[in-house]
Amino acid sequence: ETGVTQTPRHLVMGMTNKKSLKCEQHLGHNAMYWYKQSAKKPLELMFVYNFKEQTENNSVPSRFSPECPNSSHLFLHLHTLQPEDSALYLCASSQEGRGQPQHFGDGTRLSIL
Amino acid sequence: EDQVTQSPEALRLQEGESSSLNCSYTVSGLRGLFWYRQDPGKGPEFLFTLYSAGEEKEKERLKATLTKKESFLHITAPKPEDSATYLCAVQNNNNDMRFGAGTRLTVKP
Repeated sequence: ETGVTQTPRHLVMGMTNKKSLKCEQHLGHNAMYWYKQSAKKPLELMFVYNFKEQTENNSVPSRFSPECPNSSHLFLHLHTLQPEDSALYLCASSQEGRGQPQHFGDGTRLSIL
Repeated sequence: EDQVTQSPEALRLQEGESSSLNCSYTVSGLRGLFWYRQDPGKGPEFLFTLYSAGEEKEKERLKATLTKKESFLHITAPKPEDSATYLCAVQNNNNDMRFGAGTRLTVKP
């Protein structure tokens, strides 16, 4: 398998549930990212991991908790989410460095009831 | 703060009708400007990287150009399969990436 794979593709959860999103990259990259995409808004960067170390957390609420066990896998743990958290969550990877493009998975469409 | 503004927000073309999408930006030290294509229900697909003013890249009916303040994505004789949302992003000196809101392109047969 090649590229960036995200599971599940769709997730519906209640505000009290706990769930996790998974991302796996097969590109040999050393940086991974979580983004939130809402309708008609630019992608919002949530978290950045370089060589498994978190290097950026853009004031994301604590109900989102990332985990990066190795340079190929990235998780986003969710708990006690709010309706405004409904969005498309995209994972990306890149080779860390100047001018390197990020490559994206197809996202998880999250709906909070 | 880095900013990326894409225009128009939406564009409808007839098949074969060439046009351009605009990406205006301000950035603290440009390390790269990126164009992506995003189809409904999919993640963004990388198209081009431009590094410095005057640079151009081409792929099939698409051609991307770059100046110090903006980038254009020219679409020549588009086909219905070119319909998608096109995203522009800039990377600054800190390797931070900022995306525009995108242009939604519809090409009618």
